[in-house]
Amino acid sequence: AQSVTQLGSHVSVSEGALVLLRCNYSSSVPPYLFWYVQYPNQGLQLLLKYTSAATLVKGINGFEAEFKKSETSFHLTKPSAHMSDAAEYFCAVSDRDDMRFGAGTRLTVKP
Amino acid sequence: GAGVSQSPRYKVAKRGQDVALRCDPISGHVSLFWYQQALGQGPEFLTYFQNEAQLDKSGLPSDRFFAERPEGSVSTLKIQRTQQEDSAVYLCASSLDINYGYTFGSGTRLTVV
Repeated sequence: AQSVTQLGSHVSVSEGALVLLRCNYSSSVPPYLFWYVQYPNQGLQLLLKYTSAATLVKGINGFEAEFKKSETSFHLTKPSAHMSDAAEYFCAVSDRDDMRFGAGTRLTVKP
Repeated sequence: GAGVSQSPRYKVAKRGQDVALRCDPISGHVSLFWYQQALGQGPEFLTYFQNEAQLDKSGLPSDRFFAERPEGSVSTLKIQRTQQEDSAVYLCASSLDINYGYTFGSGTRLTVV
């Protein structure tokens, strides 16, 4: 069985500050890992994905994540937060057949 | 189509009423998934199709929930005798291959009153 745990249901940063959203996974097979963003009343948009290629993955809107097998982590980072980054972020893991999501982290960006 | 389309966008149902939620996946996507997202929660897996075959329905919360994809394209999620706890956003996603991730629709927000 596969699962992800997102540490921190709410994260607040100032505009221009580093964004760090934490995700740890559990999987019995080499995982595929994803980060999605959800804006209010919208569906989920793929930010980036890890599919067993490079461990440092770059996504849209300046986000990136690093797959660390030894730590079973896939944390999401962005060097400088923008007001438009305020949203709900979901980490997800797949064993190729289906995808399971974490509970989400709500990112607030203060001016 | 260009994206995953779900209808209706919003549905209000009286308790005990049956509802049907529709998903039009991206053309050519063989895999289709349904998720339930309660307020303030992450999406919870309901069921998964590969073409017309329902390969996993372990996430369906009760026998009141039924999903079908008879021709391997459009899918319908049916909820019989709706209850208040069924109130949630129902998300549909489709995928060509896991290497590309899933593409989600905007969801159907079901409110049972």
